[in-house]
Amino acid sequence: EPEVTQTPSHQVTQMGQEVILRCVPISNHLYFYWYRQILGQKVEFLVSFYNNEISEKSEIFDDQFSVERPDGSNFTLKIRSTKLEDSAMYFCASSEGRGNAADTQYFGPGTRLTVL
Amino acid sequence: AQKITQTQPGMFVQEKEAVTLDCTYDTSDPSYGLFWYKQPSSGEMIFLIYQGSYDQQNATEGRYSLNFQKARKSANLVISASQLGDSAMYFCAMRETEIRTNTGNQFYFGTGTSLTVIP
Repeated sequence: EPEVTQTPSHQVTQMGQEVILRCVPISNHLYFYWYRQILGQKVEFLVSFYNNEISEKSEIFDDQFSVERPDGSNFTLKIRSTKLEDSAMYFCASSEGRGNAADTQYFGPGTRLTVL
Repeated sequence: AQKITQTQPGMFVQEKEAVTLDCTYDTSDPSYGLFWYKQPSSGEMIFLIYQGSYDQQNATEGRYSLNFQKARKSANLVISASQLGDSAMYFCAMRETEIRTNTGNQFYFGTGTSLTVIP
């Protein structure tokens, strides 16, 4: 069964450093997403991506964040200068892009980012 | 106002018994979808079940069913015949659809319910 994959599973970085989180969405899916979950809290939407551009983003997704689809399979989230409060689990998700409310998003296993 | 409210931070259920996890939602959009995800201690988010706002019947997927009460804006997850492997966090989520622009891709998540199945 196809699944979303993410690398690395755990990333430790120093405050102020740049990190890139990688995701491989399900191959025939058209929409890609990033969410984050601070420890013990709910999952929060960051950004959605379609047709090589951002289709929607939240207030959390400020200028420190960027997304890219560098090739036909990878989808990346870059944090330019990490802050302590960026420590969280980051989930990538993808969906077929049915264009209606039934468009189920399938999540990857997550990358746990720890900023020291 | 919160889009998704889960009022049960923790629940316990005896193995083989049924359990209901509550979820209420808030939207003025006539077209929306409701989803439940399971998050085991390993951290991944596993899709369980989907209910559309226009669906006439409650969704079912194996041991999972969704008690959808549109007028009350509730979408409770029912797990029948609980198993030890059901112990996990359970999240309710909603997707609205902005009909004019067909946007509204983001999911709104609740705070989750931690379910513990007791042998």
